Amino acid sequence: NAGVTQTPKFQVLKTGQSMTLQCAQDMNHNSMYWYRQDPGMGLRLIYYSASEGTTDKGEVPNGYNVSRLNKREFSLRLESAAPSQTSVYFCASSEAFTDTEAFFGQGTRLTVV
Amino acid sequence: LAKTTQPISMDSYEGQEVNITCSHNNIATNDYITWYQQFPSQGPRFIIQGYKTKVTNEVASLFIPADRKSSTLSLPRVSLSDTAVYYCLVAVNKLIFGAGTRLAVHP
Repeated sequence: NAGVTQTPKFQVLKTGQSMTLQCAQDMNHNSMYWYRQDPGMGLRLIYYSASEGTTDKGEVPNGYNVSRLNKREFSLRLESAAPSQTSVYFCASSEAFTDTEAFFGQGTRLTVV
Repeated sequence: LAKTTQPISMDSYEGQEVNITCSHNNIATNDYITWYQQFPSQGPRFIIQGYKTKVTNEVASLFIPADRKSSTLSLPRVSLSDTAVYYCLVAVNKLIFGAGTRLAVHP
């Protein structure tokens, strides 16, 4: 019962470095999402993929890119990390884009120094 | 997208019933109301969803009045383990989270 798996769980980057956060789901879901959560705050939607082959911007897309590699995998890339991107990143998936029951991964805690 | 308003925080004691109300004045006809729970250092977890009237499951009840401009999540007889952040979402498309309500349950 893996559900949504995110890697890595923790990462420290230097300003200007790049990295890719990986997300995979084994529930055959069509829609996938990337969020960030700053300390003491709610989640903010970065990008989403309503279905395989499509991606769209969410509330806070600047500084990020995404790739829906296949139906299972949805990656988030930081091309040039900035301290303002220090956050916890959550990946989620849902059966359909109109489905409001989503399943979340355990998060990636990213620190940019 | 319908904007939601919830109390920032609430306090309760073990064994009490907790009611968290969410306002969503501009909810659309086809929007469902969904509640999530988030424990520290974990991703949110779906609790309950409804369209109108009352929905109940093993975790909570959701009350929605006829005008659907608000909803109330009811947690019966809370325990310390119910300490979490609770989010109200209103959207058919896109899962947009607000700031949520931080519930603290005390012994």
